[in-house]
Amino acid sequence: DADVTQTPRNRITKTGKRIMLECSQTKGHDRMYWYRQDPGLGLRLIYYSFDVKDINKGEISDGYSVSRQAQAKFSLSLESAIPNQTALYFCATSDPFYTGQHGPDTQYFGPGTRLTVL
Amino acid sequence: QKEVEQDPGPLSVPEGAIVSLNCTYSNSAFQYFMWYRQYSRKGPELLMYTYSSGNKEDGRFTAQVDKSSKYISLFIRDSQPSDSATYLCAMSAVGGGTSYGKLTFGQGTILTVHP
Repeated sequence: DADVTQTPRNRITKTGKRIMLECSQTKGHDRMYWYRQDPGLGLRLIYYSFDVKDINKGEISDGYSVSRQAQAKFSLSLESAIPNQTALYFCATSDPFYTGQHGPDTQYFGPGTRLTVL
Repeated sequence: QKEVEQDPGPLSVPEGAIVSLNCTYSNSAFQYFMWYRQYSRKGPELLMYTYSSGNKEDGRFTAQVDKSSKYISLFIRDSQPSDSATYLCAMSAVGGGTSYGKLTFGQGTILTVHP
């Protein structure tokens, strides 16, 4: 079974609709992230959370909100979807001590959700 | 100007070729340099990382960092069709432990290795 799962895998919606993307992980990691990926722009951080009570904005949080329901679950919401939110969305987790204190904070990504807003 | 620049390609090479993928960056605080590989319809996965300057080899893959030029490279020897993927460089100023090592990604290079 996949360690990081995302639902749905594909979603087509209309402008103005509320959308929720869900992420679950079985890795036991405290840190979770939401990114979006656009052609030519790479991965950009939307929100991140270091534990259930800790939520932080990333570089492109406008138009998005998140909820950390449990250590293993982190949801991303688009309150009123717009066409320029059409993108590939990834959830990721990390354990900052996995590679030791002298390694990077390796992130583990889910398979992604392809969202299209018409 | 983006903090990390990566040529998006696409890059198409024959099987067995040596592939060179590159990124430049502007933030001199970056200390950790990573390469992620992303197969079609999958999430990125860490391929290898380097701390500070120097080279690191892992099988057919070699990562190089030149901090004086703010330039990093990933070389793939004897490339295989199974290497076809998008390769993203990523960088952070801080490592693991209690600090948060925010990752800054390049745009990704699409690589196709044809038989």
